[in-house]
Amino acid sequence: QVQLQESGPGLVKPSQTLSLTCTVSGGSISSGYYYWSWIRQHPGKGLEWVGSFYYSGGSYYNPSLQSRLTISADTSKNQFSLRLSSVSAADTAVYYCTRDGFDYGDYFYYWGQGTLVTVSS
Amino acid sequence: QTVVTQEPSLTVSPGGTVTLTCASSTGAVTSGYYPNWFQQKPGQAPRALFYSTNNKHVWTPARFSGSLLGGKATLTLSGVQPEDEADYFCLLYYGGAQRVLFGGGTKLTVL
Repeated sequence: QVQLQESGPGLVKPSQTLSLTCTVSGGSISSGYYYWSWIRQHPGKGLEWVGSFYYSGGSYYNPSLQSRLTISADTSKNQFSLRLSSVSAADTAVYYCTRDGFDYGDYFYYWGQGTLVTVSS
Repeated sequence: QTVVTQEPSLTVSPGGTVTLTCASSTGAVTSGYYPNWFQQKPGQAPRALFYSTNNKHVWTPARFSGSLLGGKATLTLSGVQPEDEADYFCLLYYGGAQRVLFGGGTKLTVL
């Protein structure tokens, strides 16, 4: 059973960089088979795909965030991370880390519990 | 700007049947969009219900079904239970830079 846990600061100042880490247990991020992703949800709103990476295949970012976004992996810790620069209040959201399922087209099968990040001075 | 559209809200009586739809601004939704459906209850992370139109997960209730109808992806709940009250999000695959897009979600009220 794969489990994901987000961690990071709950408060970030405007113009600074938001950094979150997802710690994975029950599966290896370097298995090379699955997409690992970040999803965010603005307060009271819908879901937004932030970006994904495939260990042996590179990263895919939401075009609206691409210029500010980096998703990377630390295989020694079985973690992957999100860095979003130059944040504003519009980046205030609950951020979830996820993993796709085994079958093609099975998106975001596993979810972390989510972590609220507030951008405010 | 591609948009995925869902009904903002629906209300259904206990024991009733309700169909939620998911449309794409690019045209008819086909199996090639690999429609996914998610359920989210207050204070919880979303939970995957269906992938690739009508493939259930082990925890998906048997009274839920997914399909394509009239150029849209649909999620039908039959014999609705009070615990089905939740937000439901669809997701479509577009490939390319915009890998996937979520719909705005449907708030389902069981009343």
